[in-house]
Amino acid sequence: ETGVTQTPRHLVMGMTNKKSLKCEQHLGHNAMYWYKQSAKKPLELMFVYNFKEQTENNSVPSRFSPECPNSSHLFLHLHTLQPEDSALYLCASSQEKGIGYEQYFGPGTRLTVT
Amino acid sequence: GDSVTQMEGPVTLSEEAFLTINCTYTATGYPSLFWYVQYPGEGLQLLLKATKADDKGSNKGFEATYRKETTSFHLEKGSVQVSDSAVYFCALFDQGGSEKLVFGKGTKLTVNP
Repeated sequence: ETGVTQTPRHLVMGMTNKKSLKCEQHLGHNAMYWYKQSAKKPLELMFVYNFKEQTENNSVPSRFSPECPNSSHLFLHLHTLQPEDSALYLCASSQEKGIGYEQYFGPGTRLTVT
Repeated sequence: GDSVTQMEGPVTLSEEAFLTINCTYTATGYPSLFWYVQYPGEGLQLLLKATKADDKGSNKGFEATYRKETTSFHLEKGSVQVSDSAVYFCALFDQGGSEKLVFGKGTKLTVNP
C-alpha cells in the first residue's frame, strides 16, 4: 500500500487553463503539506494544513489555491499559471504538524506550463 | 533565517566506494537534522535523523553525526551499492525558529557497477 498518493503524475497545461492536483493519504494523519521542487533549488514549502485548517501560506501567489476538505485529501487548484511554475509538486503528510512527526511524501505531480 | 547548504552534485562513484555528502546549516533555534532520499520517480523518504548535538543517525549503512561546533551533518556510507543511486537531501527543523522543514538543494548520487 502506498501511504500518500498523488494524481495526476504528469500534467501539461497552458497558461489560461484551470486544473487541480489531488493528494490522498491513507495513514490516518492530521497534517498535510504542499511543496514545490524546482531544478537546482531547495524544496519550497507552499502550504500547511493541520486538522483541516490552513496554518501556513509561504507567500504563494494567488494563482495557486489549496483546499483541504478533510484530513485525508488535499487539493491544489491552478489557474493562469506562468512557465516558471513548471516544477514537481510534492504532497506530504504527518501525524500532526511539528518536530516530532515524520513527514511522508507522495511521488509528486510533474507540472509543465506551456 | 534558517538555511541548509549541501555539496553540489552530481556525485558518481563505483560500487563499494566510500561516500561522503557534506551538509552545513544555519539556524536561529535548536534544530533537528535529517537526511531524506529520493529514488527515481518517487517521493522523498526519511533516511535518518538526529535531534541533538553529538547524536548519530544511522540507517541502511548510512550514518551522519550532528556536529554543533561545526554546524554540520555530513552523510557517510562505507560501501555504496548501485541501489543507492538517488538524490539525497539534507534538512533541518528549527523548533525555536522557523518551525518548518528547510531543505538543501539535493545531491544526486550515481553508483556504477
